[in-house]
Amino acid sequence: GAVVSQHPSRVICKSGTSVKIECRSLDFQATTMFWYRQFPKQSLMLMATSNEGSKATYEQGVEKDKFLINHASLTLSTLTVTSAHPEDSSFYICSAREGNEQFFGPGTRLTVL
Amino acid sequence: QKEVEQDPGPLSVPEGAIVSLNCTYSNSAFQYFMWYRQYSRKGPELLMYTYSSGNKEDGRFTAQVDKSSKYISLFIRDSQPSDSATYLCAMWGTHSGGSNYKLTFGKGTLLTVNP
Repeated sequence: GAVVSQHPSRVICKSGTSVKIECRSLDFQATTMFWYRQFPKQSLMLMATSNEGSKATYEQGVEKDKFLINHASLTLSTLTVTSAHPEDSSFYICSAREGNEQFFGPGTRLTVL
Repeated sequence: QKEVEQDPGPLSVPEGAIVSLNCTYSNSAFQYFMWYRQYSRKGPELLMYTYSSGNKEDGRFTAQVDKSSKYISLFIRDSQPSDSATYLCAMWGTHSGGSNYKLTFGKGTLLTVNP
């Protein structure tokens, strides 16, 4: 299947700083990528849909000014958590669709101190 | 009623057992059905993808879709300890009121295969 990578896999930062997470589709082009958040022992929660060359579509309750998404090319989308706070600590996972199948990255564990 | 229902388990079976995992759904517009396996602290890994009603087999895994009953299943034959993970069903299609094609997940079933 198609491969989606994420970087970094783990990040620890101080409260108030910004963190950028990269998501790449390695062997296919993705006009649409998705960003999810997952809390322990819970299912994935869609945060936003990232469209190449246009603004992201955010789910209800997700602050677009806090979670900045940039889909600059067909193989790269970035999520920036601005002014991170401890409550933003979570597992962030990106995903991309190839045809009718959707593939996920390995996830990024963010810990905000 | 949630759009996708999945028994969260946990489910514990002995090595070699046949495992049956199931999901039901309510949105008849769902067209594409997937099963993912997620190990702890990892991203979901796509195991099976099906489009139409019927069976699809891949090694020890068989996916079934019954659109008339809005019911999907994943069977694991000769289960191994390495199969221990959370299994998520997921599906997408046209959502009522729009066509945003968002993937909708079940809650996931935690499976443990004991040696």
